[in-house]
Formats: sequence, structure tokens, C-alpha cells
Amino acid sequence: AQKVTQAQTEISVVEKEDVTLDCVYETRDTTYYLFWYKQPPSGELVFLIRRNSFDEQNEISGRYSWNFQKSTSSFNFTITASQVVDSAVYFCALRLVDSSYKLIFGSGTRLLVRP
Amino acid sequence: DTEVTQTPKHLVMGMTNKKSLKCEQHMGHRAMYWYKQKAKKPPELMFVYSYEKLSINESVPSRFSPECPNSSLLNLHLHALQPEDSALYLCASSQEEEGNSPLHFGNGTRLTVT
Repeated sequence: AQKVTQAQTEISVVEKEDVTLDCVYETRDTTYYLFWYKQPPSGELVFLIRRNSFDEQNEISGRYSWNFQKSTSSFNFTITASQVVDSAVYFCALRLVDSSYKLIFGSGTRLLVRP
Repeated sequence: DTEVTQTPKHLVMGMTNKKSLKCEQHMGHRAMYWYKQKAKKPPELMFVYSYEKLSINESVPSRFSPECPNSSLLNLHLHALQPEDSALYLCASSQEEEGNSPLHFGNGTRLTVT
């Protein structure tokens, strides 16, 4: 069965703190894609990153970084020096190649960054 | 600003009304999607169109009827909805239906059924 687990329902931090959002996935497929999306209060889901299953290189984009570890089936997301504008719900998602290409979302983590 | 445009932003309708949600993208994407999102839940896939043909219907009740008039437009026709259909309806598009194309989402239509 395919599944994405985001165990942290809500996280609250003070501005400038670093915060890591956890994502654990389950699949027996060897080829798959992982995504992170941000959903601010406005409602739009904003695409942040895509990672292929055969590319385990970590990635950094400004204050955002992602740690992909196939050995633990995890794709964690770290925000360094968090800002109030980072407050949103963050979704991790899994997409398979050889089924119906559906995007399987985790339940989301609500991040609140307090000034 | 999002490159996927949805109208209207908000919609209130009675259970006997007929209304339509509209979605437009001009990124040349060939796959378009409708998702439904209830409060504090992740989005749930409803329909997928690939090259203007219905590719996936996730057993959605017939009171929701999708339509893809051309590669840039996607509609969702609503008829005889129930109060439990109140939700945020998100449209998305991707270059292809294949797995590595990220979905680009619109701002959504917040629907309330009274």
C-alpha cells in the first residue's frame, strides 16, 4: 500500500528558530516522486520541490532544505531562520509512475511562526 | 500570482441550484485536475483530464460533472449538491499526467452549500 505520514499535526515556533517538518512514505515501487507543497491561508497549494526516487542528493534553496533518505523512507523539510510568512500548512506527497499517477498527500503539518 | 486561475473565489448555493466552477491555465499543460479539500484535511483527487479526455474519475457522485472544452479550460458543473459537499475546490494542471510533473494549483473556489 502507498502512504505518506506526517506525524506532526501542528508546530509552533518563534521567528528565527529553525524547524524541521517530517515526512515518511511507504511504497513498494522502485520509481516514484516526492513533493512538498505549501498552503498559506489564501488556499493555493504552492509547489516547493520535487525529488526522484533515484536521486538522493539533498537540496538547499535559500532558507529551505530537504533531506531525502531512502534507507528510512523519509523526505524531511527544514526551514532555517523561520519567518512569520512561513506560517502555512505544509503537505508532503508521493506520486507513483506505474499506477495511476495519483498524488498521495500526507495529512499536512500546520506551522505557526510567532513574531 | 498563481498561473492557474479559478473563478469564482467564493460560491454559496442552495441544494436545488445549478452552478459551475471554472479553471483556466495558459502554461501549455496537457493534464488538468479537480481536487476537493475539506477543512484541516489534505486535498482529495476527484477527476483527471489528460489531453482533454477524462482519464480518472475517483468514483465521484454524478452531481459533480466535469468538462474540458479545450486544453486550457476545465469546468466543474454542480447540480443538486448536499451540505456535506461544502469544501474548497482546487484546480491544478501539469505538463503531462506522468509522475514527475509537478502539479500547479489555483487559489481554489470556496463552496458553501446551504
